[in-house]
Amino acid sequence: DAMVIQNPRYQVTQFGKPVTLSCSQTLNHNVMYWYQQKSSQAPKLLFHYYDKDFNNEADTPDNFQSRRPNTSFCFLDIRSPGLGDAAMYLCATSRGWTGTGDNEQFFGPGTRLTVL
Amino acid sequence: QQQVKQSPQSLIVQKGGISIINCAYENTAFDYFPWYQQFPGKGPALLIAIRPDVSEKKEGRFTISFNKSAKQFSLHIMDSQPGDSATYFCAATGGNEKLTFGTGTRLTIIP
Repeated sequence: DAMVIQNPRYQVTQFGKPVTLSCSQTLNHNVMYWYQQKSSQAPKLLFHYYDKDFNNEADTPDNFQSRRPNTSFCFLDIRSPGLGDAAMYLCATSRGWTGTGDNEQFFGPGTRLTVL
Repeated sequence: QQQVKQSPQSLIVQKGGISIINCAYENTAFDYFPWYQQFPGKGPALLIAIRPDVSEKKEGRFTISFNKSAKQFSLHIMDSQPGDSATYFCAATGGNEKLTFGTGTRLTIIP
């Protein structure tokens, strides 16, 4: 089945220790998104890639970086995690940019990040 | 201008009853309104979506009602079941804007 896969499902890191989260997709979608979701809150868009074009949200901290080496994979790097970065990180994909039509976003299961 | 307001924050409904969640938006450029269902520890999943050229869309027990002039839309879950217990997010996009989520409604269906 075509899907969005995230690894690992649970990640524990230490304060200040860099961490990388992984997302892969078999949908061959052009757009990949990274969201941060804290407890009892809506997902918050961090950035997205349209093919190789990177688009950062204005309020995304510099501590968060992303890489998309090919169509299938996208990585979220947190350079120096703080306690406030503990959250669920969601990867999503869509065929085209959501804002230009009913391009459904398909979400992965998420990675729960704990910062000690 | 991009805000989507959602109510109620939490909702308890008896099994077999109707669950109703309401949303309102401000940006008149929005033209696609999806609802997402999220279970604990899982990613959101698209439940049903509507465009403003229709006032209602029904898929099984789930119905979206849309009022373009009032800039409001709502989700109705008929014959609510315990398996419907989840958090529901309305969302909106269009006009080249990102997907904007409502604040979420935690729905609990009791026997």
